[in-house]
Amino acid sequence: GENVEQHPSTLSVQEGDSAVIKCTYSDSASNYFPWYKQELGKGPQLIIDIRSNVGEKKDQRIAVTLNKTAKHFSLHITETQPEDSAVYFCAASKGTYKYIFGTGTRLKVLA
Amino acid sequence: NAGVTQTPKFQVLKTGQSMTLQCAQDMNHNSMYWYRQDPGMGLRLIYYSASEGTTDKGEVPNGYNVSRLNKREFSLRLESAAPSQTSVYFCASSEVDGYTFGSGTRLTVV
Repeated sequence: GENVEQHPSTLSVQEGDSAVIKCTYSDSASNYFPWYKQELGKGPQLIIDIRSNVGEKKDQRIAVTLNKTAKHFSLHITETQPEDSAVYFCAASKGTYKYIFGTGTRLKVLA
Repeated sequence: NAGVTQTPKFQVLKTGQSMTLQCAQDMNHNSMYWYRQDPGMGLRLIYYSASEGTTDKGEVPNGYNVSRLNKREFSLRLESAAPSQTSVYFCASSEVDGYTFGSGTRLTVV
């Protein structure tokens, strides 16, 4: 069945460095790719998304890139700060209403 | 500005007991969802409701039932809880793109 692979599962970076999280999807019909940030004890929160007709989208320090041919998309966080420490999930749309989620990346920003 | 509200936040059940997890959203969203989150497995869809009056199975529906009570409320019922249902449960709602998630219910079945 369709799945989304996410790497790495854990990532530690020094404050101020960049972090990159990568996802690969299998369903060629997927056309919407959101990213979620989950802080400890809270629900996931949408931080950025991209549609299949766009190759890159940026919002301040975060950006997402999409390569439809290779079926992979990535989250880029620049100038990382301690408050960026969280678990990040990628997802790919499956039909109109559903998403398939990756297994998550635990990001630690070291001060 | 509540968003998606889930109750309870924590629950311990004995094997075989039943319970209902409640979810309500105040954003007038049409679609609502129930996910479970287990370590190393990400978020898996249990059931969803594309619009008021409809419900459909997701990836892992066995052992669960749902009710879309009205546009605002979507409940998840465990009829006979099993230890395999120990998890964190998230309700979400959406209108077009992206979900708004609740803060979760941590359920332990002993």
